[in-house]
Amino acid sequence: QVTLRESGPALVKPTQTLTLTCTFSGFSLSTSGMCVSWIRQPPGKPLEWLARIDWDDDKFYSTSLKRGLTISKVTSKNQVFLTLPNVDPVDTATYYCARVSRPPAYFDYWGQGILVTVSS
Amino acid sequence: DIQMTQSPSSLSASVGDRVTISCQASQDIGKYLNWFQQRPGKAPKLLIYDASRLETGVPSRFGGGGTGTDFSLTISSLQPEDVATYYCQQYDNLPLTFGGGTKVEIK
Repeated sequence: QVTLRESGPALVKPTQTLTLTCTFSGFSLSTSGMCVSWIRQPPGKPLEWLARIDWDDDKFYSTSLKRGLTISKVTSKNQVFLTLPNVDPVDTATYYCARVSRPPAYFDYWGQGILVTVSS
Repeated sequence: DIQMTQSPSSLSASVGDRVTISCQASQDIGKYLNWFQQRPGKAPKLLIYDASRLETGVPSRFGGGGTGTDFSLTISSLQPEDVATYYCQQYDNLPLTFGGGTKVEIK
């Protein structure tokens, strides 16, 4: 059974660094072709793709949000991380991680999402 | 970046109605299009990939079509559980980009 769960702070102050963790089970990022993406959704707004990390450690990023956005993984712990430095209130959103079992975009399993609010 | 434009932004239809949502890409994306359903307060769910291929477990009343720049999602007989916002997403080029969404309600 494939599951993903996002974790991290619910509230972050402007200019701080946001770090989110996606902890998953039921698959491994050591398997060829397996990837994990991060997607976010500001309240009442559409989805926005942020980044993807592949089984071979290739990484891909949104061009509109490149300012230091970093995706990384610890394969042995089944975890993927997203780091966004210097956050702003516009970064307030629900952040989702999703499995991509056939790159670039076969999003077959999603986490429940985590709402992160950026406010002083 | 490829821009994805959905229409309408919202619609209201009766149970049993046929519903069609359109999605237009700003350039040719071939068949590289997903459709997602997002029920209120839930994560998105993949309905259709490669523009017309139904994801496993998705009811057959959902159908997708199109190629190039113009695509559509059709619900052949709207059901109460179909109340949701639907998003198209292209994956011909990175960055992946989503449409603005179409909110479907029951009349």
